[in-house]
Amino acid sequence: QSALTQPASVSGSPGQSITISCTGTSSDVGSYNLVSWYQQHPGKAPKLMIYEGSKRPSGVSNRFSGSKSGNTASLTISGLQAEDEADYYCCSYAGSSTSVYVFGTGTKVTVL
Amino acid sequence: QVQLQESGPGLVKPSETLSLTCTVSGGSISSYYWNWIRQPPGKGLEWIGYIYYSGSTNYNPSLKSRVTISIDTSKNQFSLELSSVTAADTAVYYCARAGGYSSPLGYWGQGTLVTVSS
Repeated sequence: QSALTQPASVSGSPGQSITISCTGTSSDVGSYNLVSWYQQHPGKAPKLMIYEGSKRPSGVSNRFSGSKSGNTASLTISGLQAEDEADYYCCSYAGSSTSVYVFGTGTKVTVL
Repeated sequence: QVQLQESGPGLVKPSETLSLTCTVSGGSISSYYWNWIRQPPGKGLEWIGYIYYSGSTNYNPSLKSRVTISIDTSKNQFSLELSSVTAADTAVYYCARAGGYSSPLGYWGQGTLVTVSS
């Protein structure tokens, strides 16, 4: 099972919106509405930001939103803030007979 | 609030077995899926495997021949063993909880760095 493909880096100015793509295959992203997104600050553990494609856990800002089309999932951060600067990883369920969770390659978000 | 804490040796010799334990506090280990994930320095995340509280397991096929995950419900702990380690196994190892076998990883430990070196 190959890692999901994300852009290495995305940047934006405070207040702007950015979108991070996550491309998989018909065996993972395309087969299940089970993509999650994690935010990771340097030296810290990942934090769940989006699950089941577009749902936000309690306490996560509504500036974070998720969507999916075909084999590609996306995370949008609106009203970009300095605290959003971090690495972001997508993750898809890939079925119980393979690597159950497949992570993306990761995207470094820089707030200019 | 559920908390997870990894513990174990920070240095393991090549060809030996890496052993880590995750202690769960603030909640029961029952009725959830308990995962191990690793992250080599400067690289991305890799799912290693999970164990259900009943003892059933599922491993990443790329590591399956070397991985064993076990659980001790009486101690609210689960453990990872990775055999025949090489430098490529040097990573921060995280434990995490999922509500179901396909659920997101909602709770994570802080991670522990394991270096494989002689």
